[in-house]
Amino acid sequence: KNQVEQSPQSLIILEGKNCTLQCNYTVSPFSNLRWYKQDTGRGPVSLTIMTFSENTKSNGRYTATLDADTKQSSLHITASQLSDSASYICVVSQSGKSTFGDGTTLTVKP
Amino acid sequence: EPEVTQTPSHQVTQMGQEVILRCVPISNHLYFYWYRQILGQKVEFLVSFYNNEISEKSEIFDDQFSVERPDGSNFTLKIRSTKLEDSAMYFCASSARPAEAFFGQGTRLTVV
Repeated sequence: KNQVEQSPQSLIILEGKNCTLQCNYTVSPFSNLRWYKQDTGRGPVSLTIMTFSENTKSNGRYTATLDADTKQSSLHITASQLSDSASYICVVSQSGKSTFGDGTTLTVKP
Repeated sequence: EPEVTQTPSHQVTQMGQEVILRCVPISNHLYFYWYRQILGQKVEFLVSFYNNEISEKSEIFDDQFSVERPDGSNFTLKIRSTKLEDSAMYFCASSARPAEAFFGQGTRLTVV
């Protein structure tokens, strides 16, 4: 069964600090890997989209990396802000079907 | 910035009733999706729709569910004979290319 595993399940950091979230997947082959930010009670918002040939993609303070050989991705958040507190979801797509990870809940404290 | 619009934002229905959740995808998008998120759980794929037909569906998307694109702008999810366990956030998404998915803000369905 195709799976997407995210770690850690939750993370608490101080404002201004950096953090890295991990995503391991078994979906193969895949069309793309996406990272989303989901605020509580809201729809997921796309942060980055990477195809299998891309190693890194940045969006402001968010940088995603992809190692298609080891089937691992990471999302690095630089200089965290209070508004970064949310759930971060890794999604791996294979043709028209997407598999979602359970998400990492990030809490940024002042 | 164009966005996916979902209505209503919250729907309460009695068990056994039928509900229709409505979505207006981004105008130039060709791929449409419905997802479900039960409270406290992860987002689950329900169905993808392209060229006026279902292109992929999950095991969750059984005969109780149906989708329709009744006109050029709307995309609907119908749930027949709702059950308590259908209570969840339902997200519509659309994309110009396969499997990119820009999400709406969701409809919270509560079955009582």
